[in-house]
Amino acid sequence: NAGVTQTPKFRVLKTGQSMTLLCAQDMNHEYMYWYRQDPGMGLRLIHYSVGEGTTAKGEVPDGYNVSRLKKQNFLLGLESAAPSQTSVYFCASSRHQGTYEQYFGPGTRLTVT
Amino acid sequence: AQSVTQPDIHITVSEGASLELRCNYSYGATPYLFWYVQSPGQGLQLLLKYFSGDTLVQGIKGFEAEFKRSQSSFNLRKPSVHWSDAAEYFCAADQTGANNLFFGTGTRLTVIP
Repeated sequence: NAGVTQTPKFRVLKTGQSMTLLCAQDMNHEYMYWYRQDPGMGLRLIHYSVGEGTTAKGEVPDGYNVSRLKKQNFLLGLESAAPSQTSVYFCASSRHQGTYEQYFGPGTRLTVT
Repeated sequence: AQSVTQPDIHITVSEGASLELRCNYSYGATPYLFWYVQSPGQGLQLLLKYFSGDTLVQGIKGFEAEFKRSQSSFNLRKPSVHWSDAAEYFCAADQTGANNLFFGTGTRLTVIP
C-alpha cells in the first residue's frame, strides 16, 4: 500500500495563477483532510470530506476550493494564488472521525511569488 | 475558545537523557488527545493517543504520555532519547464528535551527542 500520496511535491506559482493539488489514498478511508503548515503555527485545517461527494470547511477555508468526486481522491484548488498561500500543504485520511488515526501524506511545498 | 498549547518551541537534550514535552489543552470537555512526530521533509506520524481510561498511554518508539485532567495537560515523555528522535513534535486535540483536529504549534527537538 502506498498510503497517502500527494502530487506535486513542489510548485512555484505567480500571484493570480491557479493550480490543483491532488491527494490520493489507497486505504479505503472515508474521511480526508487538507491542512496547511506555516512556521510557528502548526497545522491548520483548510477543508475536509466525510465521504465521496461531500466537502466541508475547516478553520482556514478562504481562497481554496475542494472536490471529492472519487472516494480515494481529494483535490485542493487555488483559483487565484496569493503570496499568503505560500505554505506546506498536507493531505490526510482516516477511517472515521475522532478516535481514528489520521494518516498523512508527505506534503506539497507551494511558493507563490 | 478551543486551543492546544505547546509552550516550548525548541528543546535540546543529550542523547540518553530523558525527555518531557509539554502540552496543554483548553476545551469544554476532555477531548481526544494525540501526539504526532514529523521528521524533516516528511509527513506526520502518530506516536500515541488518549481517549479515556488509563491516564498513562504507551506509544511507538518508546514514547509515553500522561493525561492529567486537573492540569489540562498531556505531556509526552521518553526515558532515554536517541539521536533518531530529533524531529518536530505536535500535540493535537479532537473534540468528541467533531471533525476538526486542532494542532499545537509544535516543539522542535534537537538531540546532541
